[in-house]
Amino acid sequence: KAGVTQTPRYLIKTRGQQVTLSCSPISGHRSVSWYQQTPGQGLQFLFEYFSETQRNKGNFPGRFSGRQFSNSRSEMNVSTLELGDSALYLCASSLRQPKGAGANVLTFGAGSRLTVL
Amino acid sequence: DAKTTQPPSMDCAEGRAANLPCNHSTISGNEYVYWYRQIHSQGPQYIIHGLKNNETNEMASLIITEDRKSSTLILPHATLRDTAVYYCIVRASSTGNQFYFGTGTSLTVIP
Repeated sequence: KAGVTQTPRYLIKTRGQQVTLSCSPISGHRSVSWYQQTPGQGLQFLFEYFSETQRNKGNFPGRFSGRQFSNSRSEMNVSTLELGDSALYLCASSLRQPKGAGANVLTFGAGSRLTVL
Repeated sequence: DAKTTQPPSMDCAEGRAANLPCNHSTISGNEYVYWYRQIHSQGPQYIIHGLKNNETNEMASLIITEDRKSSTLILPHATLRDTAVYYCIVRASSTGNQFYFGTGTSLTVIP
């Protein structure tokens, strides 16, 4: 069973550019969440999607956006890149829909490491 | 979500049991305790979760106190590959996928 796949694994951009990151969840998982990890702030929640709808959003500026497709694959986009956007961007998928009953286990991908110069 | 408190770092000798504590004194009745770990620059890896009862799987055991205000993750025979940051997270099932990871415990397994 394939895990969560994130592409690209590494990328370098310059300030002002925009970037799109992709996430393919585990087959059958319909919930996808995105997290940003930096040395100073740790792991921070960006947003989550279920059935192509954003269900929750973290405290990030509007430059950070995402979407989910009908096959549950998700993309996130960061526009007008800043130096502080350099981070490891992690995608996680889960079987359970948001706010459903029972425990909710997230399976993370290896991440996309973005460097902004 | 209930706040969790973990020691910032711990050492453990290879082959010995690693016992990682977590305090969650404000936990609510419907909140689960989850443990994840993150090996340097990789995505977090799920380890185990529990609600009220102790749990065991192929990776670890989770001991939750009767009042549910604290828990301990036990790695029975630590290996060098268990060196990682371990996160204890408390989360209600009704609150979606927004997990708060905190700073975790950096476990170093010493040869």
